[in-house]
Amino acid sequence: NAGVTQTPKFQVLKTGQSMTLQCAQDMNHEYMSWYRQDPGMGLRLIHYSVGAGITDQGEVPNGYNVSRSTTEDFPLRLLSAAPSQTSVYFCASSYSAGNSPLHFGNGTRLTVT
Amino acid sequence: GQQVMQIPQYQHVQEGEDFTTYCNSSTTLSNIQWYKQRPGGHPVFLIQLVKSGEVKKQKRLTFQFGEAKKNSSLHITATQTTDVGTYFCAGRDTDKLIFGTGTRLQVFP
Repeated sequence: NAGVTQTPKFQVLKTGQSMTLQCAQDMNHEYMSWYRQDPGMGLRLIHYSVGAGITDQGEVPNGYNVSRSTTEDFPLRLLSAAPSQTSVYFCASSYSAGNSPLHFGNGTRLTVT
Repeated sequence: GQQVMQIPQYQHVQEGEDFTTYCNSSTTLSNIQWYKQRPGGHPVFLIQLVKSGEVKKQKRLTFQFGEAKKNSSLHITATQTTDVGTYFCAGRDTDKLIFGTGTRLQVFP
């Protein structure tokens, strides 16, 4: 049982480059979300989805796009990377929004130079 | 929007001492969840509290939900080195989960 799978584990980008962080879950969870973690800032919600075809903005959505074409996949796109986006990114999923345990992926450590 | 703050930000204790972290929300919460993140790892779900004044225990860990459902606490009795990590609370804001800033616990043997 894979749970939540994130790729890549590490990534280095130059300012202005674009990339997609992949997230897939095999638990048939309706709710999926992306968080970024910075020292002293906790986990901040970027975007989330309550089901296929539905996405919404979290606390810090600027500079990121998401889509949810299937229940399993929830990719996060950085359109034009900036040094301020250097962070650890976590994808998480749960059976329902906000009242069931979140299952996290192992994270992607992104550095933008 | 909802804001969730945790104190303290860091706590260093000697093994065997107790530890408490506090979580405060700017709005009333329908529920609160607690997570633990080991160094270099990802957050792992510990527990969910739903009822006003609810208290739950997991071995040496005691979780409380405030009467007004705007605050919560996690207390660890007689800490061990295996308790090292960052503890997060998270509150439900309509259809999303907002995390607190976390408390990093360091335990010295």
